[in-house]
Amino acid sequence: EAQVTQNPRYLITVTGKKLTVTCSQNMNHEYMSWYRQDPGLGLRQIYYSMNVEVTDKGDVPEGYKVSRKEKRNFPLILESPSPNQTSLYFCASSLVRGYEAFFGQGTRLTVV
Amino acid sequence: QQPVQSPQAVILREGEDAVINCSSSKALYSVHWYRQKHGEAPVFLMILLKGGEQKGHDKISASFNEKKQQSSLYLTASQLSYSGTYFCGTEGGTSYGKLTFGQGTILTVHP
Repeated sequence: EAQVTQNPRYLITVTGKKLTVTCSQNMNHEYMSWYRQDPGLGLRQIYYSMNVEVTDKGDVPEGYKVSRKEKRNFPLILESPSPNQTSLYFCASSLVRGYEAFFGQGTRLTVV
Repeated sequence: QQPVQSPQAVILREGEDAVINCSSSKALYSVHWYRQKHGEAPVFLMILLKGGEQKGHDKISASFNEKKQQSSLYLTASQLSYSGTYFCGTEGGTSYGKLTFGQGTILTVHP
């Protein structure tokens, strides 16, 4: 089944404790991206990747890191999480830029 | 800068029509439309590319006026299943590949 898989689905952590949210797709898509969703603000892109080893900043990259060492995986790293990073996070992939995006099921992160 | 969607919310009865607008301040390559139901991930509706095209499937269609940097989503003869939050995403300006979404329009369809 074609899908984008994020893990974990739910995470509660403490300020400053490094964490990684994984994202994996099995569709051989080139384009992948991360979004955060907050009430009233819609979806805001954090980082995107046009292909392996090619990543670029979205609209809200501060406090986040990503890597794209292989096509299928695009992990989101929070080196020192803060409470203002409490949010619902979505990973998405598409065949290439400008095509239909498939979203993962979301990760609800709470930083206390 | 986020595109601006209007209205912020709309309530319909089944069978009524609705239009959701998306306006950007920058020149656009493409406009993407997604629908998200409560507690679920966004789901793709359609993409419109630079060229002023209009697309549609079933009773949902959209237009893209690149000169005005605007797109509109048309929902005709609405069904209960149309309820959800609709987002437009825009790609343009100097940011090739970056997708910026609007704040969303909440659509509620009542029987």
